[in-house]
Amino acid sequence: TQLLEQSPQFLSIQEGENLTVYCNSSSVFSSLQWYRQEPGEGPVLLVTVVTGGEVKKLKRLTFQFGDARKDSSLHITAAQPGDTGLYLCAGAWSGTASKLTFGTGTRLQVTL
Amino acid sequence: KAGVTQTPRYLIKTRGQQVTLSCSPISGHRSVSWYQQTPGQGLQFLFEYFSETQRNKGNFPGRFSGRQFSNSRSEMNVSTLELGDSALYLCASSLAGSWTEAFFGQGTRLTVV
Repeated sequence: TQLLEQSPQFLSIQEGENLTVYCNSSSVFSSLQWYRQEPGEGPVLLVTVVTGGEVKKLKRLTFQFGDARKDSSLHITAAQPGDTGLYLCAGAWSGTASKLTFGTGTRLQVTL
Repeated sequence: KAGVTQTPRYLIKTRGQQVTLSCSPISGHRSVSWYQQTPGQGLQFLFEYFSETQRNKGNFPGRFSGRQFSNSRSEMNVSTLELGDSALYLCASSLAGSWTEAFFGQGTRLTVV
């Protein structure tokens, strides 16, 4: 059974601060995705990474995929209240590509 | 184009009843997956369908079942509802079933009383 560890579970910061969320597995991912979910809504895809060492940027969000494709991080620069939400990583492994396994999530709150 | 549509959005059922949830994927998408989301367990994979065939199944009891129609629309059914089945049920669709991109619906909030 592949497991996905996500940390931290909760993060409460002030507007303008930086933060990093981590996603780790003991197995090699074939692909990894990051989502953001608002209360009562479905997760919205932010990015997909597939290549070891890959870095992708989405405005103030920077996503990194580890060289060994076992871990990933999401870094937010100068957080804003609009960044508040539940951040989820989800991985697929070779042989089970039709099944996404989700991390437990990081609940981020950004206050003024 | 329209996103993933799940109906109904909210549902209240009594223990022992059964329920059917519906999911219409993005036009052209042939794969549909279902997930259960609870505060304690997070998002748990239920099953995945591609071209009307179930390709993968999670660790849920047989009371949870699903199917996919020729137009890619999918339904999931839960029989003999238990209080612990209260959750947000999410459907996701993917273009060709590789799941490098999953697009989720807004979910169906099921409350079992």
